[in-house]
Amino acid sequence: NAGVTQTPKFQVLKTGQSMTLQCAQDMNHNSMYWYRQDPGMGLRLIYYSASEGTTDKGEVPNGYNVSRLNKREFSLRLESAAPSQTSVYFCASTADFYNEQFFGPGTRLTVL
Amino acid sequence: ILNVEQSPQSLHVQEGDSTNFTCSFPSSNFYALHWYRWETAKSPEALFVMTLNGDEKKKGRISATLNTKEGYSYLYIKGSQPEDSATYLCAFIESNYQLIWGAGTKLIIKP
Repeated sequence: NAGVTQTPKFQVLKTGQSMTLQCAQDMNHNSMYWYRQDPGMGLRLIYYSASEGTTDKGEVPNGYNVSRLNKREFSLRLESAAPSQTSVYFCASTADFYNEQFFGPGTRLTVL
Repeated sequence: ILNVEQSPQSLHVQEGDSTNFTCSFPSSNFYALHWYRWETAKSPEALFVMTLNGDEKKKGRISATLNTKEGYSYLYIKGSQPEDSATYLCAFIESNYQLIWGAGTKLIIKP
């Protein structure tokens, strides 16, 4: 049981480049989330997917897109990276929205 | 705009001492409250899921209480150990499925 996995672990981009962060869970969870964590800001929700086939904006969705590819996978795409998107990105999943969330190891992204 | 506040922001505690900190949340439309522990360079891990007013939960030396009528939850750590050093996050879940995170309390245990 790998839990929640994220790739890559680290990434450096130049301003304007695009990339996709991958997330997968093997716990048969319905809901999946993408967060960013910045110093002094705690966790901020970017997008979430309550169930397969649905996605919704969170607190800070601008500059991002997501795809819930299937029940296991939820990807986050930066179409044109900006320095303000330098952050640590966490993916999480939960069986249902009120249950505890399980987090991936995080992706540290730097945009130059 | 819903607001979840945690206090204090940071806390230095001598090893062996007990401590507690607070999560304040809106008292209306409550569905659940979660507590997580987040160690440096790791990912957050769930400690407690609390749903009923008056709930008390315990895991080893860590316990939590919940008051949904007045909108607060306390996390207690008894006999702090160096491995308790972490940021403790609470997350408020509203009945319309909205989830709001607090900014966390950073706990540092001094040997």
